[in-house]
Amino acid sequence: DTAVSQTPKYLVTQMGNDKSIKCEQNLGHDTMYWYKQDSKKFLKIMFSYNNKELIINETVPNRFSPKSPDKAHLNLHINSLELGDSAVYFCASSQDFQRGARRGIEQFFGPGTRLTVL
Amino acid sequence: AQSVTQLGSHVSVSEGALVLLRCNYSSSVPPYLFWYVQYPNQGLQLLLKYTTGATLVKGINGFEAEFKKSETSFHLTKPSAHMSDAAEYFCAVSERTGNQFYFGTGTSLTVIP
Repeated sequence: DTAVSQTPKYLVTQMGNDKSIKCEQNLGHDTMYWYKQDSKKFLKIMFSYNNKELIINETVPNRFSPKSPDKAHLNLHINSLELGDSAVYFCASSQDFQRGARRGIEQFFGPGTRLTVL
Repeated sequence: AQSVTQLGSHVSVSEGALVLLRCNYSSSVPPYLFWYVQYPNQGLQLLLKYTTGATLVKGINGFEAEFKKSETSFHLTKPSAHMSDAAEYFCAVSERTGNQFYFGTGTSLTVIP
């Protein structure tokens, strides 16, 4: 009964390929996120969706496209993979609003997907 | 935008010694404050958080942190380090309005036997 799950855990692929990473949360949260963690462990927010609506879209190449079919899922599709895309990608979720009031609630993270581009 | 500063990207302590990991934030309005731990090859796990109320917050695994508004700090401490505490630690802040989390650059904790 994992709270935030990601598939696959490892992804090795060639430059130029297109790949997707899937994320699902069973916490009933209304907001989901994608982060990229580089080799120096630096965490960078990429996207955030609230109830299937894009609310944060940081400076990310447009080869990266998030898709949220429903509020429990947020997938990340990457076109034309490049060497620099190699990183660990984390999905997270949070319950940002309750009864109309914003809550200072934490984000729950998935286990990560280690992407290696050769 | 917020910024979060973690002083010391690498901290080494002896087993049984005090652990002190530093975090400072930039906002003039106190945000929500968090510490996360990341064990090797795992995701981030919440250690503790401050939202309101008592400024000394206790978390899991014997960690605690104190919110000091005057110093805009939220340092993480543990009285006695254990080998299992070796991990990467991230401080994060979230504004009281808005949706975004801001993470520090992380501190790698090494525990020496």
